[in-house]
Amino acid sequence: EAGVTQFPSHSVIEKGQTVTLRCDPISGHDNLYWYRRVMGKEIKFLLHFVKESKQDESGMPNNRFLAERTGGTYSTLKVQPAELEDSGVYFCASSQVGSPYEQYFGPGTRLTVT
Amino acid sequence: GESVGLHLPTLSVQEGDNSIINCAYSNSASDYFIWYKQESGKGPQFIIDIRSNMDKRQGQRVTVLLNKTVKHLSLQIAATQPGDSAVYFCAESYGNQFYFGTGTSLTVIP
Repeated sequence: EAGVTQFPSHSVIEKGQTVTLRCDPISGHDNLYWYRRVMGKEIKFLLHFVKESKQDESGMPNNRFLAERTGGTYSTLKVQPAELEDSGVYFCASSQVGSPYEQYFGPGTRLTVT
Repeated sequence: GESVGLHLPTLSVQEGDNSIINCAYSNSASDYFIWYKQESGKGPQFIIDIRSNMDKRQGQRVTVLLNKTVKHLSLQIAATQPGDSAVYFCAESYGNQFYFGTGTSLTVIP
């Protein structure tokens, strides 16, 4: 069974540009989460989808971040315009509705804003 | 706000010895605790979890202990192997959110 995949694995953009990160969860997992780890700090929750609905987006830093999950399958996280402090590793995780705590993480997308 | 922290940022153990990784949490209302292992270049991998109404849970070579009195969580790895070298994160769940610690780097010495 394929795990959670993320694309791209690494992105380098300039301040002010736009970047879109993609996450493909494990098939059948209705829960999808986005997290971010800034270097040297803890992994922080960004938001949680249940199917196509945003269950909790209280962790989103500001309105420059937009997450979507049209159709309840893959999800995208867009940062527009990117700022230097957005640099970090963005993780996506998915889980079954009946096992929300057993999350399967993707390898992450390393975003560098210069 | 919630804070999840680790007592030691790095830990080195001899192959075959037992490892103990500690974690402190601050939110007494957290209802679930999870341990993750992250190897280089990969995302965190679920190891084991424990509900707040339990104080011990065992898995394959791993045991998680929860002490709610002092808000302390630990992960014990029996007979540590080179493949156990990784960064270990504890996380607590409160409501729909998950709060992670900064991680402990475990190095297994052959």
